Amino acid sequence: TQLLEQSPQFLSIQEGENLTVYCNSSSVFSSLQWYRQEPGEGPVLLVTVVTGGEVKKLKRLTFQFGDARKDSSLHITAAQPGDTGLYLCAGAERDSNYQLIWGAGTKLIIKP
Amino acid sequence: EAGVTQFPSHSVIEKGQTVTLRCDPISGHDNLYWYRRVMGKEIKFLLHFVKESKQDESGMPNNRFLAERTGGTYSTLKVQPAELEDSGVYFCASSQESRARVYGYTFGSGTRLTVV
Repeated sequence: TQLLEQSPQFLSIQEGENLTVYCNSSSVFSSLQWYRQEPGEGPVLLVTVVTGGEVKKLKRLTFQFGDARKDSSLHITAAQPGDTGLYLCAGAERDSNYQLIWGAGTKLIIKP
Repeated sequence: EAGVTQFPSHSVIEKGQTVTLRCDPISGHDNLYWYRRVMGKEIKFLLHFVKESKQDESGMPNNRFLAERTGGTYSTLKVQPAELEDSGVYFCASSQESRARVYGYTFGSGTRLTVV
């Protein structure tokens, strides 16, 4: 069973600071998805990265897939209080496109 | 377009009782998935329907769990009899095609199940 280790588990920073969340595995994923979840809601897809080395940007959020497709990072520039939430990474198993292996999540709090 | 709808949003039942969770996927989405998050742990896959057929149920914990999707529309997940370790949040997700690795999933808000 593939494992996806996500770090840090919890992060509390001041508005305007930068941060990076990491997801690492010893196994190769066919793709990796990043979700954001609010309390009482389901995860909402932010981005999917498919190609090794791929970088995608979503406003102040930058997502990167490792060259070997074993790891990914989410970098937030100039964090805002509205970025507060639970961020989850999920990797699609190489031979099972429909199954996702999930990280445990990063609870992010941005203080005004 | 209406999203994925799940109900109830919360359910508290006693150990040994039966509970049925329901999921209405986005109209036209043939693929329906059930996931579960147990307290303090990561979300885990339970099973995948393509229309009314079970494509993969390898994540179902045991035979106390029964999922159905009659007519390929909504799906139910029944837990009978419920045990304490079944407590958690059950998520349903749907996608237009099985290649959710590219297009991603749309999740419902989840059902928080508490077994006491």
